[in-house]
Amino acid sequence: QQQVKQSPQSLIVQKGGISIINCAYENTAFDYFPWYQQFPGKGPALLIAIRPDVSEKKEGRFTISFNKSAKQFSLHIMDSQPGDSATYFCAASSDTNAGKSTFGDGTTLTVKP
Amino acid sequence: NAGVTQTPKFRVLKTGQSMTLLCAQDMNHEYMYWYRQDPGMGLRLIHYSVGEGTTAKGEVPDGYNVSRLKKQNFLLGLESAAPSQTSVYFCASSYPSSGGPTGTGELFFGEGSRLTVL
Repeated sequence: QQQVKQSPQSLIVQKGGISIINCAYENTAFDYFPWYQQFPGKGPALLIAIRPDVSEKKEGRFTISFNKSAKQFSLHIMDSQPGDSATYFCAASSDTNAGKSTFGDGTTLTVKP
Repeated sequence: NAGVTQTPKFRVLKTGQSMTLLCAQDMNHEYMYWYRQDPGMGLRLIHYSVGEGTTAKGEVPDGYNVSRLKKQNFLLGLESAAPSQTSVYFCASSYPSSGGPTGTGELFFGEGSRLTVL
């Protein structure tokens, strides 16, 4: 049973465009929803995260939108740049579950110059 | 500040051989995790630890064992390697969500250990 479903699997965007990646979760006990960015040959690194008490969080060009009733959250990258080309993972975890994170399958983003 | 360090970075094994991956963190994190990453399958949790001397099974624990004798180290062992264990292994650590300075469950990852089993 996959608890976090991520789409699309891959995404190609022109420089300056908007990149949107979506995730859906099943477990209503999840209370922390991070997005990780991974470059080739490196480990994932936290990009931005949200808790379910807010519907949106913005950090620079990166925004998380969160819909608690639909059990969905998404990452928006505004003014996408070639340096944003990476694999993005959504995740979900619960304070009551030792912080174990369940990850989506990942989205490979390519930003064309 | 090294963060999370994994050794070795690359290893090739023959079926049936054993090996140990070492993870060391210098951030005084309570929690440590071992994930495996396979193409198109995201990161799957193998084993985790919530403190020194404790370990627990994750999503895909079969064929692996772990130990956490010291707070800063988390070892992942393969007793009899199989080709299905060919993967990239990532160690991660974190504070408890409510107990750390950031108040989040942010995971800090190592750079990975690429294992090939022939």
